[in-house]
Amino acid sequence: GAGVSQSPSNKVTEKGKDVELRCDPISGHTALYWYRQSLGQGLEFLIYFQGNSAPDKSGLPSDRFSAERTGGSVSTLTIQRTQQEDSAVYLCASSSQGEQFFGPGTRLTVL
Amino acid sequence: RKEVEQDPGPFNVPEGATVAFNCTYSNSASQSFFWYRQDCRKEPKLLMSVYSSGNEDGRFTAQLNRASQYISLLIRDSKLSDSATYLCVVTIQGAQKLVFGQGTRLTINP
Repeated sequence: GAGVSQSPSNKVTEKGKDVELRCDPISGHTALYWYRQSLGQGLEFLIYFQGNSAPDKSGLPSDRFSAERTGGSVSTLTIQRTQQEDSAVYLCASSSQGEQFFGPGTRLTVL
Repeated sequence: RKEVEQDPGPFNVPEGATVAFNCTYSNSASQSFFWYRQDCRKEPKLLMSVYSSGNEDGRFTAQLNRASQYISLLIRDSKLSDSATYLCVVTIQGAQKLVFGQGTRLTINP
């Protein structure tokens, strides 16, 4: 069956521009997560959506980061006024009641 | 102090060797424990959950010591295909997010 998909797979942008990253979770999974993996760093939690509940935004590093999940399915992570330190792989995961399944990630490079 | 700490390695071991990884976690409210595997430029994938009683899956054995807040992974008869980064992961009671260690890089040499 289809796994978690993310687009684009790679994104190169200039400092100061806004970017949108997309995640399509596994069908039927109610929970969706965004993580970030910077070079040489571990995976860092960003935000979590569960059904219609208010999202857990406790991991977002600044107010330049936001995310939404429309219709309980697709999610978009938006980074405004990108900075070079935003360069990382952004990973999305989804789960039903247990294991989190990760997508292939979006590699973001901010020049 | 990081919530989950691992020796980053790298570990370079010959094929067929036994290798052990350790991990410590700082939050006593940690509830669930996992080892994930991440291949180069790929997403993490669940290798196995870790239980207090210890659990084994083929060549892989995981142990949890709640008193010492310590998790281990043992790989026996290592294969070339075991080369990857191994991530120690916990969840905190009341939260759904995964908290990752920085990973231990393993290379199995022929």
